Amino acid sequence: KQEVTQIPAALSVPEGENLVLNCSFTDSAIYNLQWFRQDPGKGLTSLLLIQSSQREQTSGRLNASLDKSSGRSTLYIAASQPGDSATYLCAQRGSQGNLIFGKGTKLSVKP
Amino acid sequence: DTGVSQDPRHKITKRGQNVTFRCDPISEHNRLYWYRQTLGQGPEFLTYFQNEAQLEKSRLLSDRFSAERPKGSFSTLEIQRTEQGDSAMYLCASSLPPPYEQYFGPGTRLTVT
Repeated sequence: KQEVTQIPAALSVPEGENLVLNCSFTDSAIYNLQWFRQDPGKGLTSLLLIQSSQREQTSGRLNASLDKSSGRSTLYIAASQPGDSATYLCAQRGSQGNLIFGKGTKLSVKP
Repeated sequence: DTGVSQDPRHKITKRGQNVTFRCDPISEHNRLYWYRQTLGQGPEFLTYFQNEAQLEKSRLLSDRFSAERPKGSFSTLEIQRTEQGDSAMYLCASSLPPPYEQYFGPGTRLTVT
């Protein structure tokens, strides 16, 4: 069974700190992995997609890495801001084309 | 590009009633997906379409659930004889061919009383 796990479930940091969110998956035959942001009561916003042939992707202050051999992905957020406060979800693309999600990491950046 | 839209945004219904949700994908996206999300959980896959063909259905999609995408554009998700356990956020997403990056709509929040 394909599973995605995110640790920690919640994280609180002071503004300006660099931080890393972790995601682990069980299927080494991964097709791609997507990171999303979700604000309370809202839909999901796609942040980064890493294809299985890639090691990392960058967008602004965000950097996502993929290590298929260890079944891990990390999302690095540089110089965190209060506006980064949200739940961050990672999702692995399953064999049927659907996304398999973790439960998310709830991030709080305090001014 | 107006993004994925969903209607209604909120729906309150009584147990036993039928409800229907609509999703309009990003134009030219040939794949359309439905997910369900409950509080504190990640979204769970329900079903997806490629053009008008329904290619995959999750075991979560009981006989009371049906989805259509008649002309390969918008899609509807109907829940018959709603139960309190159906209360959740119903999310729609769409994507182009590979790498199939999925873009989500704002969701429809269903409350069954």
